[in-house]
Amino acid sequence: AQRVTQPEKLLSVFKGAPVELKCNYSYSGSPELFWYVQYSRQRLQLLLRHISRESIKGFTADLNKGETSFHLKKPFAQEEDSAMYYCALKGSGGSNYKLTFGKGTLLTVNP
Amino acid sequence: ETGVTQSPTHLIKTRGQQVTLRCSSQSGHNTVSWYQQALGQGPQFIFQYYREEENGRGNFPPRFSGLQFPNYSSELNVNALELDDSALYLCASSLASGSIYEQYFGPGTRLTVT
Repeated sequence: AQRVTQPEKLLSVFKGAPVELKCNYSYSGSPELFWYVQYSRQRLQLLLRHISRESIKGFTADLNKGETSFHLKKPFAQEEDSAMYYCALKGSGGSNYKLTFGKGTLLTVNP
Repeated sequence: ETGVTQSPTHLIKTRGQQVTLRCSSQSGHNTVSWYQQALGQGPQFIFQYYREEENGRGNFPPRFSGLQFPNYSSELNVNALELDDSALYLCASSLASGSIYEQYFGPGTRLTVT
């Protein structure tokens, strides 16, 4: 079974502070991990995927298979980063068609 | 290039009724996935259609059914509506099925069952 856990429902930081949104997963095979973001009054959109190993809007995420984690990090948060963030997993092989989402973390960056 | 569109935006139905939600894929995409997002939860996978065939299904009862048309637009049908079906329904389209293809989400249809 595939499962994604985001332990923090809410996260509040000040502008310029580092931010880390936690994501843990459960999957027996080789998963592909994603972070999706939903800004206020906008649709859900892909932020980054582990396979790309890139930094988007200053955010990075490293897949740690030993700890089954895919935490999202940014060294200096900006007010425009305030949004809902979802971690998602896609399985391999026969289950590579569906995304399994966590419950999301609402990030608020205060001025 | 047009994005994913969904209709209607909002819908109110009574328990026991049937509902049809519609999704138009992004131009060039042949795969559509449907998700249910209850309040305070992440999206939950319902099923996926690839080239007009159901390609995979999540843990939803048979009263949730779908269609994909030759132009790759899609419908989600829910029969015998229950109060717990109240949710935001999202569709997402992609170039093809499989993990390497990014899914592009629509704005969703908010269904309220009373």
